[in-house]
Amino acid sequence: DQQVKQNSPSLSVQEGRISILNCDYTNSMFDYFLWYKKYPAEGPTFLISISSIKDKNEDGRFTVFLNKSAKHLSLHIVPSQPGDSAVYFCAAKTGTSGSRLTFGEGTQLTVNP
Amino acid sequence: DAGITQSPRHKVTETGTPVTLRCHQTENHRYMYWYRQDPGHGLRLIHYSYGVKDTDKGEVSDGYSVSRSKTEDFLLTLESATSSQTSVYFCAISLGTGENTGELFFGEGSRLTVL
Repeated sequence: DQQVKQNSPSLSVQEGRISILNCDYTNSMFDYFLWYKKYPAEGPTFLISISSIKDKNEDGRFTVFLNKSAKHLSLHIVPSQPGDSAVYFCAAKTGTSGSRLTFGEGTQLTVNP
Repeated sequence: DAGITQSPRHKVTETGTPVTLRCHQTENHRYMYWYRQDPGHGLRLIHYSYGVKDTDKGEVSDGYSVSRSKTEDFLLTLESATSSQTSVYFCAISLGTGENTGELFFGEGSRLTVL
C-alpha cells in the first residue's frame, strides 16, 4: 500500500521558470509533510515541511502547498536554477510515528540552462 | 552538521555472506534509523532505534537485524545477503528539538552490491 505517491518520475524545466513537483497521499492521519532533495552519491537533505493544519509554507524560492481535501501537496520552486537539478522526495509522518517517515518514489528534476 | 558517518561507503559481496553496515553519530541523538533506497520505491524504513538496546522493525525488515549497544553506533546486519538486498542504505537521525516535525538528518549512504 503506497501511502505517499509521486506520479512523475521526471520533470524538465528551463532555468528561471517555475518547477512544480507533485505528491499525493492516502493516509488522513499524516500530520506533517516534508520535501527532501537528493544529489547523486549524497544523502537526502531536508528542504521544507508543512503541518497538516496549514495550506502553505514558504522559504525563499521554495513554497509547499497542501490541499487536504484532495490529499495532494506540491512543491513550487521559483525561479528554478540549474543547481536545483536533483531527485526530490515527498515524505510524511503521523502523530504517532515519531520521525518514522513514509516516502514517495521521488521525482528527478532537471533544470536546463 | 549532525555528524553522521556511515561505513563502508561501498561494498561488493557474494550471496550468502554476512554483511554489517555501521552508522556512527557524534552528538548523542536518541533516535536513529536505517532506510534503503531503490529505484521506483523511494526510501523505505528497515529498522529504527529509540535508545541503547531499544530497536524496532520498519516496513522492510525481513532479512535484516540491528543492534545498538552504544548511543553513537547503530549497526545494520544482513545475516545472509541476497541479490534483492542490493541497494543504497542510508542512516538517519532525528534532530528532535521542539515540536516533532519529522525532520531527519541523513548520512551519505552505503552502496551494497550482492552478486
